[in-house]
Amino acid sequence: SQTIHQWPATLVQPVGSPLSLECTVEGTSNPNLYWYRQAAGRGLQLLFYSVGIGQISSEVPQNLSASRPQDRQFILSSKKLLLSDSGFYLCAWSRLGLGNTIYFGEGSWLTVV
Amino acid sequence: KNEVEQSPQNLTAQEGEFITINCSYSVGISALHWLQQHPGGGIVSLFMLSSGKKKHGRLIATINIQEKHSSLHITASHPRDSAVYICAVLVYSGGGADGLTFGKGTHLIIQP
Repeated sequence: SQTIHQWPATLVQPVGSPLSLECTVEGTSNPNLYWYRQAAGRGLQLLFYSVGIGQISSEVPQNLSASRPQDRQFILSSKKLLLSDSGFYLCAWSRLGLGNTIYFGEGSWLTVV
Repeated sequence: KNEVEQSPQNLTAQEGEFITINCSYSVGISALHWLQQHPGGGIVSLFMLSSGKKKHGRLIATINIQEKHSSLHITASHPRDSAVYICAVLVYSGGGADGLTFGKGTHLIIQP
């Protein structure tokens, strides 16, 4: 069966420090991969999506970046965190195409102080 | 851009009550997801539907494509149903990643 894992689950980082959140998918190949952010009181917002290795599309301009070094690995990074980067980050995967559901990771709580 | 509105934003009910959460959207869609987010933050997909009605246990989801509206019902509600329920609509682009647009969620509390 397919599973998705992301880590770390929680982290507290100072302003200006780097960030790396990692997500891996097991049990499937060539998944679509997504990074979402949920800020306090707001809905989920798509940050990045990827349809293949090295293929990254950004939905929202920001100081975050994403990389997909392997088929089932998706990394969210920042060189210098801002206070506004605080929030709940979710990795997700799905199969491309109508009729396919989406599966979410456990989420990562980021607090920038 | 699709606008997804959920109502109510917050709902507190007594155990056993019949619960209805509504979702409306502005642009024609390919499919609609109902998601459940627990207090720890984890999200699970409850339903994905593009027409009609689906049932899973005490949960029922309906969608009316013409009216651009979907409802999630919970029968015989229980405190463990307390969570945030999120509606997300899918517009299938055909050329890349599926474009999900999320509602802000409905915070449901079921009191014993």
